[in-house]
Amino acid sequence: GAGVSQSPSNKVTEKGKDVELRCDPISGHTALYWYRQSLGQGLEFLIYFQGNSAPDKSGLPSDRFSAERTGGSVSTLTIQRTQQEDSAVYLCASSPSLPSSYNEQFFGPGTRLTVL
Amino acid sequence: SQKIEQNSEALNIQEGKTATLTCNYTNYSPAYLQWYRQDPGRGPVFLLLIRENEKEKRKERLKVTFDTTLKQSLFHITASQPADSATYLCALGGGGSNYKLTFGKGTLLTVNP
Repeated sequence: GAGVSQSPSNKVTEKGKDVELRCDPISGHTALYWYRQSLGQGLEFLIYFQGNSAPDKSGLPSDRFSAERTGGSVSTLTIQRTQQEDSAVYLCASSPSLPSSYNEQFFGPGTRLTVL
Repeated sequence: SQKIEQNSEALNIQEGKTATLTCNYTNYSPAYLQWYRQDPGRGPVFLLLIRENEKEKRKERLKVTFDTTLKQSLFHITASQPADSATYLCALGGGGSNYKLTFGKGTLLTVNP
């Protein structure tokens, strides 16, 4: 079956521009996560969705970052007025969110964002 | 604050040997621990889960141990192959949050033929 997909796979933008990153989770997965991975760093948690609501936005680095999820499916992560320090790989993951699953997460291939 | 350390940034071993990767944590009481594999340019892929009441878990050539007293997990790959070369991430979950995983920075394993 189809896994988690993300688009675009690569995005190069100029400082100050806005960008939108898209994530299509596995069908039926109610939980969705966004992470950021910078070179040599671990996965940095950004935001968690359960259905369409985001009970935990604690990882968003600043108010330039926002995310939404619609129809309990597709999610978009928006970065406004991008800065060079936003350059990273942005990973999306989904999970069935069943108690027995212990939260195994299925990751997409990521979007590599480069801010010039 | 919670801290996870994967003690080697990089590990090089010879094909056929057993690779052992370490994950230590502090200021955390996880309910479970997961290991993921990440290849260059790809997202992490789930490998194994071990719960706090389990000492050891095996899957084919993989073995994970979990010592909640030492606050440590060991991840072993026996009879290693060049195809096992990748970055391996440990992730802690539970412990007050039923959804959030906290990841270590990973260990880059290279298996030389």
